[in-house]
Amino acid sequence: SQQGEEDPQALSIQEGENATMNCSYKTSINNLQWYRQNSGRGLVHLILIRSNEREKHSGRLRVTLDTSKKSSSLLITASRAADTASYFCATAGGTSYGKLTFGQGTILTVHP
Amino acid sequence: DGGITQSPKYLFRKEGQNVTLSCEQNLNHDAMYWYRQDPGQGLRLIYYSQIVNDFQKGDIAEGYSVSREKKESFPLTVTSAQKNPTAFYLCASTTSRNPSTDTQYFGPGTRLTVL
Repeated sequence: SQQGEEDPQALSIQEGENATMNCSYKTSINNLQWYRQNSGRGLVHLILIRSNEREKHSGRLRVTLDTSKKSSSLLITASRAADTASYFCATAGGTSYGKLTFGQGTILTVHP
Repeated sequence: DGGITQSPKYLFRKEGQNVTLSCEQNLNHDAMYWYRQDPGQGLRLIYYSQIVNDFQKGDIAEGYSVSREKKESFPLTVTSAQKNPTAFYLCASTTSRNPSTDTQYFGPGTRLTVL
């Protein structure tokens, strides 16, 4: 079964609004990563947060991690139509040598 | 899509046929992975390889086979034993040197359809 559960499954917003996606997981992790997938394409890595970090920023992206609740959130600020894509969280645990377990993703649609 | 190529982009298979999906990387990465993605779903791990001439089963290996004879190449064969092979297949690679910070680089994918 999937380690990560993402919420919401789909999100529709207007350009300029913020988008927040949540991810929950079940077991201990080394890090949690967020990836983006445009329709019919491969995944692109967005940001990684280690298990000992609580918050990380990259451009318009902000990721938080709460290991006590086993959850993470991805915030995209001032969204653009080009942000329309599916977003996946993925967890790396133990000595998995980079092996990741993916959630089912959130489909984000940003309307111009 | 970085330095990972997958071919073909689209593949059609008749029932009972084996087909092989190609994955090549020029990133000098040690580890390579094969995932399957069904519509509206996340990625499920089929096989992975941390080093040449070694590979391990992932969560859904039944009906698939792989080889890792060269560092750059990790082909996936979808055999006739895979009962529902229609899906989008993604290959990825990583340096595999630091489990705390490694991120995966993905190819563009192969869409396999069984006729």
